[in-house]
Amino acid sequence: QVQLQQSGPGLVRPSQTLSLTCAISGDSVSSNSVAWNWIRQSPSRGLEWLGRTYRRSTWYNPYVVSVESRITIDPDTSKNQFSLHLNSVTPEDTAVYYCTRGQFTAFDVWGQGTMVTVSS
Amino acid sequence: QSALTQPASVSGSPGQSITISCTATSSDVGGYNYVSWYQQNPGKAPKLMIYEVSNRPSGVSNRFSGSKSGNTASLSISGLQAEDEADYYCSSYTTSNTWVFGGGTKLTVL
Repeated sequence: QVQLQQSGPGLVRPSQTLSLTCAISGDSVSSNSVAWNWIRQSPSRGLEWLGRTYRRSTWYNPYVVSVESRITIDPDTSKNQFSLHLNSVTPEDTAVYYCTRGQFTAFDVWGQGTMVTVSS
Repeated sequence: QSALTQPASVSGSPGQSITISCTATSSDVGGYNYVSWYQQNPGKAPKLMIYEVSNRPSGVSNRFSGSKSGNTASLSISGLQAEDEADYYCSSYTTSNTWVFGGGTKLTVL
């Protein structure tokens, strides 16, 4: 059974970097048949896909246009996990952040969610 | 404004059937058969119910079914049960190699 366990701070100061980690059990971050995503949810923006990391012949990291200048999603093969880094955050980035596995072009496994508040 | 439009709410009585629609308002999603549906209970992560328009993951009740006609995908629930009360979201892969979600539909079981 695949499980995703999220960790990271729940409070980030404006202009700082939001960093979250998603530890994978029951699958591999290096798998060439799935992808590893970050999605956030807020009352104002609803559910928003942020980006993903996945390995085929090499690593790929597509991001949504709205945050692509501020975001990095990177895998850690030694720890079988992947991380989200979102810099220059503002209160608009306040949301529940989820890590997910992507399979069959859908998101079939979800982490527990992390509520992140951007506030001074 | 979401690229996928859903009704804000639907309701039905136990045992009845309901349908939730999801209409693509952008041309970069309407032509794809990569629509998925998610159920979300309060304070919980979304759960995949349907993928690629009409496929059910293992463990999802066969009371849930999906379909698509033109730019509108639909999630149907038959034999409505109290436990089906939740928020439902559609999602679609786009030609920009991204994913978009609908605004969500609150299902109330009367």
